[in-house]
Amino acid sequence: AQKITQTQPGMFVQEKEAVTLDCTYDTSDPSYGLFWYKQPSSGEMIFLIYQGSYDQQNATEGRYSLNFQKARKSANLVISASQLGDSAMYFCAMSSSETSGSRLTFGEGTQLTVNP
Amino acid sequence: GAGVSQTPSNKVTEKGKYVELRCDPISGHTALYWYRQSLGQGPEFLIYFQGTGAADDSGLPNDRFFAVRPEGSVSTLKIQRTERGDSAVYLCASGTGMGELFFGEGSRLTVL
Repeated sequence: AQKITQTQPGMFVQEKEAVTLDCTYDTSDPSYGLFWYKQPSSGEMIFLIYQGSYDQQNATEGRYSLNFQKARKSANLVISASQLGDSAMYFCAMSSSETSGSRLTFGEGTQLTVNP
Repeated sequence: GAGVSQTPSNKVTEKGKYVELRCDPISGHTALYWYRQSLGQGPEFLIYFQGTGAADDSGLPNDRFFAVRPEGSVSTLKIQRTERGDSAVYLCASGTGMGELFFGEGSRLTVL
């Protein structure tokens, strides 16, 4: 079984600063994928970034980067140059060949607030 | 539209009533997923369709919950004899069966 742990229920950051959202995972599957989604107050889950377990380099997408440390089973999201519009709930999730299709297991989420 | 569409966006019903929630996935996506998200929690998997068939329904909480996808496109989540504990946002997602999922905005169900 897979498990995602997000230990920060809430985080605060000043506009234009960088912030790291923590995520650790547990799986016995050698092949898996790690995802981050953003959920603003509107409720839609917005895909941000993906990291495959065999990818050699950390994934980056614009201001988002994923700090993947396989031995520590962590997949932290780094948001650089925070903007007010980044205020939202952020979920870490994983898929693996243990689960059918691309079924995702989600963490509990971190509420990010960007202060002006 | 280009995204996943869910209707209704909000549904208020009384305990014991029957409810249907609809999901229209992105055209061409063979995989469709239903998740349930309770307040302050992450989404929990309910059921996964590959084409018309339910490939994995292990997340359905009990036999009051049922979902169909008769033509491999639109899916309907059906909840019988609703209970107050069923109140949540029901999220639908579609994908190719590999990689990222694309989510709709959800259907917020309130059972009074």
